[in-house]
Amino acid sequence: EIVLTQSPGTLSLSPGERATLSCRASQSVSNNYLAWYQQKPGQAPRLLIYGASSRATGIPDRFSGSGSGTDFTLTISRLEPEDFAVYYCQQYGSSPGTFGPGTKVDIK
Amino acid sequence: EVQLLESGGGLVQPGGSLRLSCAASGFTFSTYAMSWVRQAPGKGLEWVSAISGSGGSTYYADSVKGRFTISRDNSKNTLYLQINSLRAGDTAVYYCAKAGGGARGVNYLDVWGEGTTVTVSS
Repeated sequence: EIVLTQSPGTLSLSPGERATLSCRASQSVSNNYLAWYQQKPGQAPRLLIYGASSRATGIPDRFSGSGSGTDFTLTISRLEPEDFAVYYCQQYGSSPGTFGPGTKVDIK
Repeated sequence: EVQLLESGGGLVQPGGSLRLSCAASGFTFSTYAMSWVRQAPGKGLEWVSAISGSGGSTYYADSVKGRFTISRDNSKNTLYLQINSLRAGDTAVYYCAKAGGGARGVNYLDVWGEGTTVTVSS
């Protein structure tokens, strides 16, 4: 089973700032099959990025994904008020399709 | 519009069983893999199980293998999760989700339902 580690656990930033979230895998993710999701309280998760760097339909271009192998990054170029949430990475290159523990982005 | 609607959650005693359902609409159900993901109160997401578009391949997290069974009825556009031998640690919101990448079993998840709550308690 591939174990995903996300850092930092919490990121405290102000609107307009840049957010950089990390996801590290315990072994290489096949085909860079790595996705990112956003979840707000009381809501289901929303897909942001798949294939490490492809934005999902309707996702603003301030969200971008990068990385390969075992190290992946989600970048939010300029935080909008609606971006404060918890972000999860998920690898789907092998079974089980594990999630990371999440990074909470909160308002400083 | 693509929609997923879960049902079947509730309060159940330890050792009991439940069958969760997920009714899908707005897409060709049989051509997409489907998954179940759960979230315990105040915790993160946990991938539980997946099934290929045809239903011929199934996948499970180690924590549920042997107790949970995923299945689908493509004629009814419905996904199921049979949960047996329930434990307190199974208490969670259970989400069904559609695979974004087609029929491949373990996949990224582009559409999620609102979830159904399972509470295991005596």
